[in-house]
Amino acid sequence: DAKTTQPTSMDCAEGRAANLPCNHSTISGNEYVYWYRQIHSQGPQYIIHGLKNNETNEMASLIITEDRKSSTLILPHATLRDTAVYYCIVRVGAQKLVFGQGTRLTINP
Amino acid sequence: DTGVSQDPRHKITKRGQNVTFRCDPISEHNRLYWYRQTLGQGPEFLTYFQNEAQLEKSRLLSDRFSAERPKGSFSTLEIQRTEQGDSAMYLCASSSAGTIYEQYFGPGTRLTVT
Repeated sequence: DAKTTQPTSMDCAEGRAANLPCNHSTISGNEYVYWYRQIHSQGPQYIIHGLKNNETNEMASLIITEDRKSSTLILPHATLRDTAVYYCIVRVGAQKLVFGQGTRLTINP
Repeated sequence: DTGVSQDPRHKITKRGQNVTFRCDPISEHNRLYWYRQTLGQGPEFLTYFQNEAQLEKSRLLSDRFSAERPKGSFSTLEIQRTEQGDSAMYLCASSSAGTIYEQYFGPGTRLTVT
């Protein structure tokens, strides 16, 4: 699995958009980009995934650059409940998830 | 659908004892994963089942660890002769053939070895 690089921590004001970057410069053509988050003392939660095109669901938007070497997860209107560790993962199909250190996102009131 | 459940949620044991954890996946999910998470780190993959077949094991899964999934339903993870280094959160996840891209995680079992 390709490795990913994420900032260790980020802060965002409540109500503003939170933009979480991820670098995956060695991603291969058949690897998807996934985002999971883990709220304190809970199991990880799937957020969104994509291959080439930008994706949006009820939780977030995923913007993947044209060369697929980086992506950005966007939480459009962050709330205090979005405070969590966010993991960017690249993988093929049903394989195991390989988690890195993730980004600790803190939403401030 | 009540989600993935794990039992117990917390376990304190003395070094050298055996412990067993149970995971009940979402019904009809044929894939089941075990991960381990230590403080401040992301989860690490341990093993993976498709139905009752154990298809992959991490090198983290030493001889003291064994996992089963009889009849392709619930799964158990046993640790024999526990060591202090086994203290961690043990997470179970499941996915189905129709939603292979999403893994649904349980709340985890927190193991403390004293």
